[in-house]
Amino acid sequence: EVQLLESGGGLAQPGVSLTLSCAASGFTFSTYAMSWVRQAPGKGLEWVSVISSSGSTNYADSVKGRFTISRDNSKNTVYLQMRTLRDEDTAVFYCAREGSSSSFDYWGHGALVTVSS
Amino acid sequence: QSALTQPASVSGSPGQSITISCTGTSNDIGSYNLVSWYQQHPAKAPKVIIYEGNKRPSGISDRFSGSKSGNTASLTISGLQADDEADYYCCSYAGDNTWVFGGGTKLTVL
Repeated sequence: EVQLLESGGGLAQPGVSLTLSCAASGFTFSTYAMSWVRQAPGKGLEWVSVISSSGSTNYADSVKGRFTISRDNSKNTVYLQMRTLRDEDTAVFYCAREGSSSSFDYWGHGALVTVSS
Repeated sequence: QSALTQPASVSGSPGQSITISCTGTSNDIGSYNLVSWYQQHPAKAPKVIIYEGNKRPSGISDRFSGSKSGNTASLTISGLQADDEADYYCCSYAGDNTWVFGGGTKLTVL
């Protein structure tokens, strides 16, 4: 059974850094691209970042230069390092697996990040 | 990276059919047959119900169907059921390893 489990969320002050983790199980992690998708309170979904199976990365314009996605295939884990956090980064962050059809076929339960002073 | 445009809300009675539109541009929906649709119940993670525009994952009811014309994709739900009440999001691959979501549509089953 495919499982994605996010951790590392919490309350952070504006300007600080926070790193999310997503532990994967139930599939061959190293062969799949992984994305982070976020959802601000009461708002819609926003794609944030992707890391391919080969390690290439990309980001939404809203986070480019502040967020860094990485993966450790030995730990079956994908990370999202978030720097210089802003109030508008407050959201539930979901880890999602990219299926063979460029859709997100499995999602974690989400990790809430609250940025507030 | 502008969000795809969806109606904020739609509604229908049990047994009826509804269609949710999703309008993008020639840079996303118009360029790729890689539109997916997600169902999200309150406080739950999204679940893919349509991928590649019109394909259903295993276990998804054939009451859900997708289509595309030009820069607009559509999701049709037939035989509405109470459990279909949820938020629905479209998503399109937008090239250069980026994706864009729609703003979401709240479906109310009357």
